[in-house]
Amino acid sequence: DTEVTQTPKHLVMGMTNKKSLKCEQHMGHRAMYWYKQKAKKPPELMFVYSYEKLSINESVPSRFSPECPNSSLLNLHLHALQPEDSALYLCASSQPADRYGYTFGSGTRLTVV
Amino acid sequence: GNSVTQMEGPVTLSEEAFLTINCTYTATGYPSLFWYVQYPGEGLQLLLKATKADDKGSNKGFEATYRKETTSFHLEKGSVQVSDSAVYFCALSPTNSKLTFGKGITLSVRP
Repeated sequence: DTEVTQTPKHLVMGMTNKKSLKCEQHMGHRAMYWYKQKAKKPPELMFVYSYEKLSINESVPSRFSPECPNSSLLNLHLHALQPEDSALYLCASSQPADRYGYTFGSGTRLTVV
Repeated sequence: GNSVTQMEGPVTLSEEAFLTINCTYTATGYPSLFWYVQYPGEGLQLLLKATKADDKGSNKGFEATYRKETTSFHLEKGSVQVSDSAVYFCALSPTNSKLTFGKGITLSVRP
């Protein structure tokens, strides 16, 4: 299995809602990442988990809360988002300090209304 | 710091034309270099990679050579197809550090 699976593919949520994005990989990778991508821009790193521990938080607002329950799963919990948080959220995985590139999922397109 | 510079876009070509997309980088040490492709409405796919100087990455007819002397990793394809229409990102990954992307360039191929 060489895929990273993200669910849901699309999500519309109100500013008072709580929702979660899910990411799963079965490649034995021990590093997992959340990226945010706005239209016509490169992905921006949000969080990095290495061996199930949070190793990088790129000063992301607390309304985004990551969780790594085990080595295969990565969640992003969303609460009280703003319309400007609407974007494509990408999950990726790799081996820690891997020189061979990350494997990305297809993303969740989030719209905050 | 580490950075990647891509040529300005968008690029529009006719089918079967030759493609070059320029990418230069600034990094300490010996980073790995990548080209990622993003088709409309999808996530990023690793197109090709090179992990050391003079390595040539290739995939689906695309090629790029790691040139340390010119700090470049230009993407080339001899004959583009309509299905190659996508956004292309050059990226680098220094040892033990995070992936750094260029701004990306949109390629449109006309029939």
